[in-house]
This record gives sequence, structure tokens and C-alpha cells, in this order.
Amino acid sequence: GAGVSQSPSNKVTEKGKDVELRCDPISGHTALYWYRQRLGQGLEFLIYFQGNSAPDKSGLPSDRFSAERTGESVSTLTIQRTQQEDSAVYLCASSTSAAVQETQYFGPGTRLLVL
Amino acid sequence: RKEVEQDPGPFNVPEGATVAFNCTYSNSASQSFFWYRQDCRKEPKLLMSVYSSGNEDGRFTAQLNRASQYISLLIRDSKLSDSATYLCVVKGAGGSYIPTFGRGTSLIVHP
Repeated sequence: GAGVSQSPSNKVTEKGKDVELRCDPISGHTALYWYRQRLGQGLEFLIYFQGNSAPDKSGLPSDRFSAERTGESVSTLTIQRTQQEDSAVYLCASSTSAAVQETQYFGPGTRLLVL
Repeated sequence: RKEVEQDPGPFNVPEGATVAFNCTYSNSASQSFFWYRQDCRKEPKLLMSVYSSGNEDGRFTAQLNRASQYISLLIRDSKLSDSATYLCVVKGAGGSYIPTFGRGTSLIVHP
């Protein structure tokens, strides 16, 4: 079946502009995660959605970052007033539920370059 | 101390070799453990879950040592296609649903 999809694949923007990244999780997956991966670095947790519960925003690095999710479907990650340090790959993952034994399935990521 | 630590490598081994990676975790209450594989410029993909009794999937064997708080991954008869970064993932400490990823161990298998 269809996996997690993300768009755009690549995004080049100028410093100070806003960007919006999209994630379509696997159908029926209630849990959705956003991560950031800088070049040569590990995955950095950003935000987590589970069903209709309030999202866990504890990983967002600043108030320039926000995310929304419509029900148990599409999520968008918005970065306002982008900075060069925001350049990274933004990965979205979904899982059947938030249970500890559940594995995550990742999308291909959005490569963001801020000039 | 980092929550999840891995030797970044790279581990450079010839085809056919056996190679092992360890990953240590700091929170003894962690409940679930996984190995993911990440190819260059690609997303992470699940390699295998790690169970207390240890588990094997073909050439790959994963072990969990709760007493010493580490998990291991053994790859036998290495193939060129095994070249990738292997990510250790730990989850569930204190009921947390947020996985913690190690920074990964790089493996290069050469002819």
C-alpha cells in the first residue's frame, strides 16, 4: 500500500521567508511525528500528534515553528521567518498508534535550504 | 550522558565479514528497542525490533542486555548492500511515546 508521502521533496527559500511542509501519513495511522535531521547529524524530534489529543510540541526549537494536523490525516509544518540554521531534512513518520512497541514508517523527507 | 549513544564509526569491513555494533541507553525504564537502517540521503527504515530474548532475521541478530543497558546488532556474511548508517532507537521510558534516536553507526562494506 501507499507509504508516507511528503511534499515538496526539495525547497529552496530566502532567509526571512515562511515555508510550509506537508506530510500525508499512512491511512489509518493515528500517530504522526515530525523530525529534523541536519547534515551528518541524528534525528531531532520536533512534534507529535496522536488522534485528537493535544500535540506534544516539546521538541519545537522556537516559536517560529508550528504544526497542524487535520484529524488523523494530513499534517503541515510551518517555519516562519526562516533562518539559515533551519536548513535540514524534515522527516515525517507515522505509526498505527502511540503504543511503545509500535514502529514508525518514515516519509522521504523534505530537503530545505535557506539561503 | 546522552540518552542513546552509538559509536559513529565508520566500520570498514570486507564482504563476507561479521560485524557487530553496540548501542547504550541511559534510561533503565526504556521499554522498546529498534534498529533502523538509513541509506545516504534516504529516510530511515525499520531493520528489526529488539526483544529481550534476542531475535534473528536472516544474517541479522539483535540482542538486548537490560542489566548493562545496551542493545547490539550483529551482521554476518556482510554484503556490499549492507553499507548504510544503522540507527539505534529507544522508546517508552516513563510511558513516553517519543522515540529517542541514536546518531547512528556508519558501515562500509568493501569488495
